[in-house]
Amino acid sequence: NAGVTQTPKFQVLKTGQSMTLQCAQDMNHEYMSWYRQDPGMGLRLIHYSVGAGITDQGEVPNGYNVSRSTTEDFPLRLLSAAPSQTSVYFCASSWTGARYGYTFGSGTRLTVV
Amino acid sequence: ELKVEQNPLFLSMQEGKNYTIYCNYSTTSDRLYWYRQDPGKSLESLFVLLSNGAVKQEGRLMASLDTKARLSTLHITAAVHDLSATYFCAVSNYGGSQGNLIFGKGTKLSVKP
Repeated sequence: NAGVTQTPKFQVLKTGQSMTLQCAQDMNHEYMSWYRQDPGMGLRLIHYSVGAGITDQGEVPNGYNVSRSTTEDFPLRLLSAAPSQTSVYFCASSWTGARYGYTFGSGTRLTVV
Repeated sequence: ELKVEQNPLFLSMQEGKNYTIYCNYSTTSDRLYWYRQDPGKSLESLFVLLSNGAVKQEGRLMASLDTKARLSTLHITAAVHDLSATYFCAVSNYGGSQGNLIFGKGTKLSVKP
């Protein structure tokens, strides 16, 4: 099993550009989520989904958009990149209830200039 | 609002010594997770604690959960250099439809010879 796959691993964007961070899992997990990690801040939840067709906002959703058309995929869209969105982004997934924990992807390091 | 506090945030230890990292959280939850992160890497699951009094051990690390005190501890026994990393605790915000992870800010552990 590949687990949780994130692409790309690194990206540099100019202010105002848009892009999509990809996240795919092959474990048939119902729950998927996006976090951003900034120095000294821990990880903060951006958006999450409890199943195909269902998404909701987390702690820091502004400037990001998500959709969940399939169980496997949960892309994160940056609508108009800003330097404040420079961060490391992690996708995570779990079975409902998370009794076995959450599986994290390898991360995407994004720099907005 | 669920808040998670870890202390200390930085910990410099000598090899062979014992120490404990503390994780306090602000509202009721019965699911707590410990993760390890090496520099530039993703999060690796260490422990999943699902009930009051739960204790789990893996090698030199032992984690426990006291839901009444809203406290989890990660105890390090006879530290070795390989344990140098950042350790995060995360609590499931189970008040919603699916628990979202709320993270502490992490404890950066450095083990010196």
